[in-house]
Amino acid sequence: DTGVSQDPRHKITKRGQNVTFRCDPISEHNRLYWYRQTLGQGPEFLTYFQNEAQLEKSRLLSDRFSAERPKGSFSTLEIQRTEQGDSAMYLCASSLIYRGNEEAFFGQGTRLTVV
Amino acid sequence: SQQGEEDPQALSIQEGENATMNCSYKTSINNLQWYRQNSGRGLVHLILIRSNEREKHSGRLRVTLDTSKKSSSLLITASRAADTASYFCATVSGRYSSASKIIFGSGTRLSIRP
Repeated sequence: DTGVSQDPRHKITKRGQNVTFRCDPISEHNRLYWYRQTLGQGPEFLTYFQNEAQLEKSRLLSDRFSAERPKGSFSTLEIQRTEQGDSAMYLCASSLIYRGNEEAFFGQGTRLTVV
Repeated sequence: SQQGEEDPQALSIQEGENATMNCSYKTSINNLQWYRQNSGRGLVHLILIRSNEREKHSGRLRVTLDTSKKSSSLLITASRAADTASYFCATVSGRYSSASKIIFGSGTRLSIRP
């Protein structure tokens, strides 16, 4: 399967614990996005990378959230000291930007439940 | 933050009818895209329209873009039960391609009645 893959698909954690999600993008894609989606809402932008450089992190994102993309390949999203409000679907997408145009390919997401 | 806002939030039509969804956005864009999401799944890209284009077709999909009104519409003709999903518009903005990013709207939930 050469699509975007995310791991794990589901995560249940206790409040206060740290969690880490992984995203493997399509290999030739230079951009990688993280979004968060709650029920009935559209994907909310969290952060994105071009190759290994993190270009922007949403101002809505607290310092408990951190993302990395070492060597411009896979990416990890870590949430420290999880809160119930962090419960959501975390979506990863990759794209190949060319001449200002890009089409995002999404993974199936990681559903986080904080209890 | 979300750039686009879809209208209506929910739409229910009979199979075979046409479905029209609208998207309004706030800032100037490089291009606008439409995605579909089936329940509990990731999003799938449907169509991209550049800021210098006014209309685009792909199969049963027709997209229009009016940059003066900062709005776009997605028309699905001859709807089928399999079209039941949420549809999102997404804008790509940024003066330089290196600074552009994809921002999604809140979506329209489309239900096709058999």
